[in-house]
Amino acid sequence: AQSVAQPEDQVNVAEGNPLTVKCTYSVSGNPYLFWYVQYPNRGLQFLLKYITGDNLVKGSYGFEAEFNKSQTSFHLKKPSALVSDSALYFCAVRDARSGNTGKLIFGQGTTLQVKP
Amino acid sequence: GAGVSQSPSNKVTEKGKDVELRCDPISGHTALYWYRQRLGQGLEFLIYFQGNSAPDKSGLPSDRFSAERTGESVSTLTIQRTQQEDSAVYLCASSSTMGGYTFGSGTRLTVV
Repeated sequence: AQSVAQPEDQVNVAEGNPLTVKCTYSVSGNPYLFWYVQYPNRGLQFLLKYITGDNLVKGSYGFEAEFNKSQTSFHLKKPSALVSDSALYFCAVRDARSGNTGKLIFGQGTTLQVKP
Repeated sequence: GAGVSQSPSNKVTEKGKDVELRCDPISGHTALYWYRQRLGQGLEFLIYFQGNSAPDKSGLPSDRFSAERTGESVSTLTIQRTQQEDSAVYLCASSSTMGGYTFGSGTRLTVV
């Protein structure tokens, strides 16, 4: 069975500081991993994905994530946080064996609060 | 269309009534997904369509919930005899064979 854990309900960081939002996953086969962001009263927006290849994936708005197979993690990072990054972040996983259109399983979400 | 469109954006209904939620996926997207997001919680998978068949409907919470899809186009999620615990935002997403989801803005359902 697939599962995703986001151990922090909320992450607080000061503007300009680096940020990390943690994600660990469990999947039987190889994982396809995704990060989405949700701003208040809006739908989810795609940030980045890992399918194969380089373990460091770069995405939208300066975000990046590192796939670590041994630790089954896919933490989201940004070198310098902006107040406008404050939002709800979701990590998601799909088993690669289900192909490109199988369902995604989402974590519970982490609220990122960036203070000026 | 340019994005995934969901209607209505908001729905208030009385307990016991039936509701129908609509999703228009991106043209050409073969896969369509329904999720539920309760207040302050994560996304709960409901059902997935590939074309007009549903290979995975394991997330539908009860037989009051059903969904259908016409070809590779519109999908409707129907909730019969609504209960207060059905109150949530219902999100639809579509996906091409490239694998990325595009989400709609959701339907906020309130059962009073």
